[in-house]
Amino acid sequence: EPEVTQTPSHQVTQMGQEVILRCVPISNHLYFYWYRQILGQKVEFLVSFYNNEISEKSEIFDDQFSVERPDGSNFTLKIRSTKLEDSAMYFCASRGGPYGYTFGSGTRLTVV
Amino acid sequence: DAKTTQPPSMDCAEGRAANLPCNHSTISGNEYVYWYRQIHSQGPQYIIHGLKNNETNEMASLIITEDRKSSTLILPHATLRDTAVYYCIVRASNSGYSTLTFGKGTMLLVSP
Repeated sequence: EPEVTQTPSHQVTQMGQEVILRCVPISNHLYFYWYRQILGQKVEFLVSFYNNEISEKSEIFDDQFSVERPDGSNFTLKIRSTKLEDSAMYFCASRGGPYGYTFGSGTRLTVV
Repeated sequence: DAKTTQPPSMDCAEGRAANLPCNHSTISGNEYVYWYRQIHSQGPQYIIHGLKNNETNEMASLIITEDRKSSTLILPHATLRDTAVYYCIVRASNSGYSTLTFGKGTMLLVSP
């Protein structure tokens, strides 16, 4: 069964540093998403990406965040100048049609 | 998207059917009912979706009431591996790139 692959599985970074979280969506999918989940809280939408541009973003997705699909296969989330409160699980998802999303297994980001 | 209401937690004995309810009284005509689950710290996993007819797949069955104001996800023979948080989400199928919005879901605990 096709999978969404995320790397790394765990990233530890110092406050103020930049991190890039990587995702390889399912190859024939057209819609891409990033979500995050702070420990013990709900899964929260960050951003959706379609046709090489951001199609929707939440209030969480401020200027600190950016997304890119640099080579037609990878989908990245960059967080500039990380803060302690950015510590969370970050999930990438892709979707091929109008229905089911496929989520990756996540990257656990720990900002120290 | 319409709001959903789910019980915060449920218990089920292994091998028995798990019936997870969801209320979505403000659902509109073009909105589907989706079910996802999240096994501890993993990415959400698509289970099933439906519009007005009952649906069944290899994972579960979805029963939607005639007025569409509520639904029940049925896991016919729950196993320990079905212990997870189950999310009922209402979303229009023609939302294009539009996101899924997760609530708090129902924590299902399957016990031996």
